[in-house]
Amino acid sequence: ETGVTQTPRHLVMGMTNKKSLKCEQHLGHNAMYWYKQSAKKPLELMFVYSLEERVENNSVPSRFSPECPNSSHLFLHLHTLQPEDSALYLCASSQDGTGSYGYTFGSGTRLTVV
Amino acid sequence: DAKTTQPNSMESNEEEPVHLPCNHSTISGTDYIHWYRQLPSQGPEYVIHGLTSNVNNRMASLAIAEDRKSSTLILHRATLRDAAVYYCILRDVRFRGSSNTGKLIFGQGTTLQVKP
Repeated sequence: ETGVTQTPRHLVMGMTNKKSLKCEQHLGHNAMYWYKQSAKKPLELMFVYSLEERVENNSVPSRFSPECPNSSHLFLHLHTLQPEDSALYLCASSQDGTGSYGYTFGSGTRLTVV
Repeated sequence: DAKTTQPNSMESNEEEPVHLPCNHSTISGTDYIHWYRQLPSQGPEYVIHGLTSNVNNRMASLAIAEDRKSSTLILHRATLRDAAVYYCILRDVRFRGSSNTGKLIFGQGTTLQVKP
């Protein structure tokens, strides 16, 4: 257990479904991140939250909607996804957004869109 | 953030030291050198990071060249559990919300195979 917990670990959803991924950390970190890892590809940074404020959206389609209600929790709301959105979704946190600190990653949610 | 260059793959024998190289010739004075690794079917794991001086922790050592244009991650005794993809990433000490500055941006990394 890394200190960053993601649920569920696996998710299968249809293209018309709405689901949410959850990430929780109790490390006292102030920055949280969503990454996507497709097969045989490097991790792609999707969203960045610093002090609960979204500071980065890397051209992610609107069918992905992040939410950060407090510094310990991060959600990724999913709706009308496409099969190509099937991937491992990883949450991470860090003390702050600077390069002085490392990131702690969760184990990820393996998403399959059918 | 400046880019890094790593070999695509390396092999090592179990219980021998492993030296994983990383070139970063365009590193700036405010860039930290970070190393992460990702085991199969898991999220990345922080290994070590440094700015100018060599660093040691329980997992590995980081040797940074005097001109900072290259670095080497050293695993002192490789085990089968060290087989993973190792990423060398430069991160600016500053954080800017509207750019990639300070953020962890992954490349392809080096796939390390450890043979028994």
